[in-house]
Formats: sequence, structure tokens, C-alpha cells
Amino acid sequence: DAKTTQPNSMESNEEEPVHLPCNHSTISGTDYIHWYRQLPSQGPEYVIHGLTSNVNNRMASLAIAEDRKSSTLILHRATLRDAAVYYCILYNSGNTPLVFGKGTRLSVIA
Amino acid sequence: EAQVTQNPRYLITVTGKKLTVTCSQNMNHEYMSWYRQDPGLGLRQIYYSMNVEVTDKGDVPEGYKVSRKEKRNFPLILESPSPNQTSLYFCASSLVGRETVNEQFFGPGTRLTVL
Repeated sequence: DAKTTQPNSMESNEEEPVHLPCNHSTISGTDYIHWYRQLPSQGPEYVIHGLTSNVNNRMASLAIAEDRKSSTLILHRATLRDAAVYYCILYNSGNTPLVFGKGTRLSVIA
Repeated sequence: EAQVTQNPRYLITVTGKKLTVTCSQNMNHEYMSWYRQDPGLGLRQIYYSMNVEVTDKGDVPEGYKVSRKEKRNFPLILESPSPNQTSLYFCASSLVGRETVNEQFFGPGTRLTVL
């Protein structure tokens, strides 16, 4: 399975943008890049996913490098509710399951 | 409301006493999965199912059984629980598409303690 590498933790000030990096140098051509987050005492929730092009949705933006070996999840204005563990996951459509790594723990300071 | 439900949410049991954790989804999803989450180890997949009567082992299937007799339900069975199965368990579901990769919806979690 292709693996991802994320920083263990990051910190942000409230109302500032946050850029969460993810390296996936062994990504294959059919791997999608998914991001999930897990708020304290809750199950993971889907944030965003992409294949090659940058993606935006109501929660975040996903910037994917041209060679697809890295990506960045962008929270445009961090709030206290965004404090969570963020997981970058490579997923191939078909029978392969989601494989969660250890993620990045994001702390947001008021 | 579209959701994944798990029962019970909390369970304390003793070694060797068979238990079942139920999982149900109301979104007509083909794919369902069980994960366990342990401090320092993150989320690890136990079993998954691509559709009714189709189940496959994940990364840590030992000591667990599952069944998928109906599309909406995917119970996790511990025939003889042991203390190393003390963990936080999550059930998840999603659509399956050949060309699309769909988001997984997770349940609220079941905290299991085996004494």
C-alpha cells in the first residue's frame, strides 16, 4: 500500500489559515488523495478528496502538487472547532480499504 | 437523517464472554467496515464488506468475526474476548463506485473494556 507522511502535530491561531502537508512519494496513478479528520470523542469525518486537480468544498481546499507526490489541506480560517487529528489517506477505487496513518494533531489557539 | 449507528456505545465485559457490537446504516451503502482505535496506533481496519455476503479481512482480524446478511447491518462478533481487545471501535459505510471514490461515514464509536 502506498503510504503517507504527515507531521505529528501543528498549531494555528484562530482565524488564521492553516496548511496541513502530506507527502506521498509512492503514489500510483490511480490513487485518490483523501483527507479525513477526527474531532475529540467522535468518529472520523470526511473532509475532501482529489485526484490531480486542486479541489474546494465548504470545509477546506486541497492543493495537489503537479507530480502528485505531495498535497496540502488548507483550512482558510481556523476555528476552535477545527482542532482535530487530520488524516491524509491514499485510496484506490475497488477493493482496497482506507488505511489510516497517525495523522496530524491540529491545535487551534484562541 | 443519514447516519451510521452502533450499539452499545459503552461496554464492560469479562474475558471469554461472547459479545456482539451492532452496526447499522440507513444510506443503502454497499461498503461497510470495522476499525479499532488504540492510543499511539491510530485507526486499524478489522474487517470490511463490499456487499451482502462478501466480507474480507483487514489489517487486524484475529479474534473477530463479522457477517453481512443484510445490506444495512454489519455486526462485529467477539467470540471469546480478551483484554487486548479493549479498544474504541468504529463502524463505517460508503457507496462503492467503479469510477468514483466515495466518502466513508463513521459511527459514533463503541468503547469496549474487557476485564
